[in-house]
Amino acid sequence: QSVLTQPPSASGTPGQRVTISCSGSMSNIQYNYVYWYQHLPGTAPKLLIFRNNQRPSGVPDRFSGSKSGTSASLAISGLRSEDEADYYCATWDDSLTGGVFGGGTRLTVL
Amino acid sequence: QLQLQESGPGLVKPSETLSLTCTLSGGFIGSSSVYWGWIRQPPGKALEWIGSMYYGGKSYYNPSLKSRVTISVDTSKNQFSLRLNSVTAADTAVYYCARWPDNSGSHFWGQGTLVTVSS
Repeated sequence: QSVLTQPPSASGTPGQRVTISCSGSMSNIQYNYVYWYQHLPGTAPKLLIFRNNQRPSGVPDRFSGSKSGTSASLAISGLRSEDEADYYCATWDDSLTGGVFGGGTRLTVL
Repeated sequence: QLQLQESGPGLVKPSETLSLTCTLSGGFIGSSSVYWGWIRQPPGKALEWIGSMYYGGKSYYNPSLKSRVTISVDTSKNQFSLRLNSVTAADTAVYYCARWPDNSGSHFWGQGTLVTVSS
């Protein structure tokens, strides 16, 4: 059972906008930065969002992050077939004094 | 450009110690304000943070693994290491070394290495 709760699956058709949620608590998301990663099989996770809503250079602006209270969200607009992957949120937890990852969301592009 | 590369045995027997090393190239492990960490992914499961070490400072470990884990740094070799004692089949996973957490927007992860625990 992950400290951060994500829906196990999400789906959309090409061109659509999808949102993936990440629910936490006051000890993690509320007062710490949230990261979002895209993970494809056989590769290292790729950083999509850092500091809640910042995109590293090279990440398309189709990807956006937001945070409100104890929850965070990743939005992907203009969905493409290559966006089909697993997505993870992560942050620091002050009570556990350590990092925490969500359970992951598998995105399917229909 | 900083690159990280994991190395170590791909097969470990139950009850023994898993040891992995992460070697840095293109950068110095002794950089200030940086955390060096390990993350793993068991087959079919989610990413799991194992621990992170702040260079020259404290180490932080996943509470569920804390009694079995040690992360250490060897500046002479520009490496950091993971030791996980008393392994079981549940420790079978792809292990990643990374600069984590990192709020700078940089993303430095190794490619990952599969470690199987089996007799």
